[in-house]
Amino acid sequence: GAGVSQTPSNKVTEKGKYVELRCDPISGHTALYWYRQSLGQGPEFLIYFQGTGAADDSGLPNDRFFAVRPEGSVSTLKIQRTERGDSAVYLCASSTWTGSAQYFGPGTRLTVL
Amino acid sequence: AQRVTQPEKLLSVFKGAPVELKCNYSYSGSPELFWYVQYSRQRLQLLLRHISRESIKGFTADLNKGETSFHLKKPFAQEEDSAMYYCALSGGTGANNLFFGTGTRLTVIP
Repeated sequence: GAGVSQTPSNKVTEKGKYVELRCDPISGHTALYWYRQSLGQGPEFLIYFQGTGAADDSGLPNDRFFAVRPEGSVSTLKIQRTERGDSAVYLCASSTWTGSAQYFGPGTRLTVL
Repeated sequence: AQRVTQPEKLLSVFKGAPVELKCNYSYSGSPELFWYVQYSRQRLQLLLRHISRESIKGFTADLNKGETSFHLKKPFAQEEDSAMYYCALSGGTGANNLFFGTGTRLTVIP
């Protein structure tokens, strides 16, 4: 079956704008994770969903970042009032259950000018 | 607090030579350790996890709790092993997120 997909693959925006990044997990995977990877760094955890609820959002850097997963499948990461420091690759991963192997999407490269 | 350290940003070895990518961790409980790999223009993918005790593509890694290490090893490097390797840690069974090291870029010289 298809792997985790993310859209768009690239997003360029201007400082202060609002952006939405989408993740389609592997069908049947109940757990979904968002990570952010800055240049030269490893992925950094942002938020985790089990089903429709955000079970752990401790990695979100501030209240400009928000994520939803209304039907327990597709998830959207939303960033308000973007800043240049938000520029990074945003990765989504899914797994069959909490703690099982995570499968990553190709990422969305966000550039804030 | 948890921490994963990969001391080498870059590592070059000749084809056929042994390779070892170092990973040290800090965690107060009983973590689960992983190695992820990212080949050029591909997505991040799981290479192996310590609980599986598998050998994947000739790579092995042993969890050493005394030294808090999880080094990745392969006896004979191949050109197709050239990639970015990340060591990662989770808080054990049921844990919900991964903590990654900064990665090591392995280049296998023909």
